[in-house]
Amino acid sequence: DAGVIQSPRHEVTEMGQEVTLRCKPISGHNSLFWYRQTMMRGLELLIYFNNNVPIDDSGMPEDRFSAKMPNASFSTLKIQPSEPRDSAVYFCASSLYGTSGGNEQFFGPGTRLTVL
Amino acid sequence: AQSVTQLGSHVSVSEGALVLLRCNYSSSVPPYLFWYVQYPNQGLQLLLKYTSAATLVKGINGFEAEFKKSETSFHLTKPSAHMSDAAEYFCAVIKAAGNKLTFGGGTRVLVKP
Repeated sequence: DAGVIQSPRHEVTEMGQEVTLRCKPISGHNSLFWYRQTMMRGLELLIYFNNNVPIDDSGMPEDRFSAKMPNASFSTLKIQPSEPRDSAVYFCASSLYGTSGGNEQFFGPGTRLTVL
Repeated sequence: AQSVTQLGSHVSVSEGALVLLRCNYSSSVPPYLFWYVQYPNQGLQLLLKYTSAATLVKGINGFEAEFKKSETSFHLTKPSAHMSDAAEYFCAVIKAAGNKLTFGGGTRVLVKP
């Protein structure tokens, strides 16, 4: 079974450009999470969805960031316009919420974003 | 509110020596606890998890952790370090009925030959 799939793996863009990161969760999972990881701030939860509905977006830095989940197998994180301080590794994770197994999250390989 | 504290952002061990990574948590309700490992340029991978069954949990790659409610701790150990254990390790907590992980700051492990 394929794990969480993220694309692209690397993205280099110039300040002011729009950036779209993509995620395909594990089939059958009903929760999806977007994280950002930097040396300075560590691992931060940006937003998460249950059954395609955004539940908590309190971690989204500002209005330049938006996330969507149009169906159970696809999500996007968009930054418009991008700024150099957005440079980070962005992870997507998914889980099967509501099971007795402790809601383990499975992480994708990440997208390394560099904004020049 | 939940929180996780990992003591020591960097740990250096010799190959073959004991690995001990400390994690303390605070939670108002019984939690589930996790240890994740992140190898360079990769995503996080689950090492082991505690979900209110046995307090001593065995994970992959020879790691284990013990849940101690009285100490609110979930320390990770491995008897003998390998070079391949060099990575960053994250402790995380979730409420038993919750869906949002709270991560510690991570501990980077360096293994010396």
